[in-house]
Amino acid sequence: DAGITQSPRHKVTETGTPVTLRCHQTENHRYMYWYRQDPGHGLRLIHYSYGVKDTDKGEVSDGYSVSRSKTEDFLLTLESATSSQTSVYFCAITEGRYEQYFGPGTRLTVT
Amino acid sequence: DAKTTQPNSMESNEEEPVHLPCNHSTISGTDYIHWYRQLPSQGPEYVIHGLTSNVNNRMASLAIAEDRKSSTLILHRATLRDAAVYYCILRDNNQGGKLIFGQGTELSVKP
Repeated sequence: DAGITQSPRHKVTETGTPVTLRCHQTENHRYMYWYRQDPGHGLRLIHYSYGVKDTDKGEVSDGYSVSRSKTEDFLLTLESATSSQTSVYFCAITEGRYEQYFGPGTRLTVT
Repeated sequence: DAKTTQPNSMESNEEEPVHLPCNHSTISGTDYIHWYRQLPSQGPEYVIHGLTSNVNNRMASLAIAEDRKSSTLILHRATLRDAAVYYCILRDNNQGGKLIFGQGTELSVKP
């Protein structure tokens, strides 16, 4: 157990509203990641962070922003949610040099 | 990012060994071979990784071809709880440790 929690675990929101998902870790790991998973696409990297205030884009970053003001928290924001952002979102951290550990996921539905 | 190719699905009988293949003909010298699995309704779970030599841990073994263009994940005695999607991923530790997931192999285990 790498001490990763995600909140909320489930959320339903309307198109055009802002949404923030939170990933919290208790182990002071440097690297944190946000992925989304859709049927038929596997997991795709949205953004990642390699330290406080240090972030970079992944392969599907359009429509998303992130912030990391503290080591333990990595926030994913959808400024104006769209139906195409309905997905399951996973946060991950790197423990040690190699393995990534994933959180339980957040199921987001945009109506 | 170097790509991997895996069969879409495989079947196994309970308590028999399972060999899950992965082709990665464009692997570079700095790519590590990682395997993750995802059980239904859960986040991905780290299984094993290697660079050149075969590796064993409590979950599985990883056999890497001498030219590193293919690898095989070996589950020595499949159980019903091993039914999952298995992802073979090439990870370059020089690029923030990002994981690029493919479609994976869906393993079903018959009692």
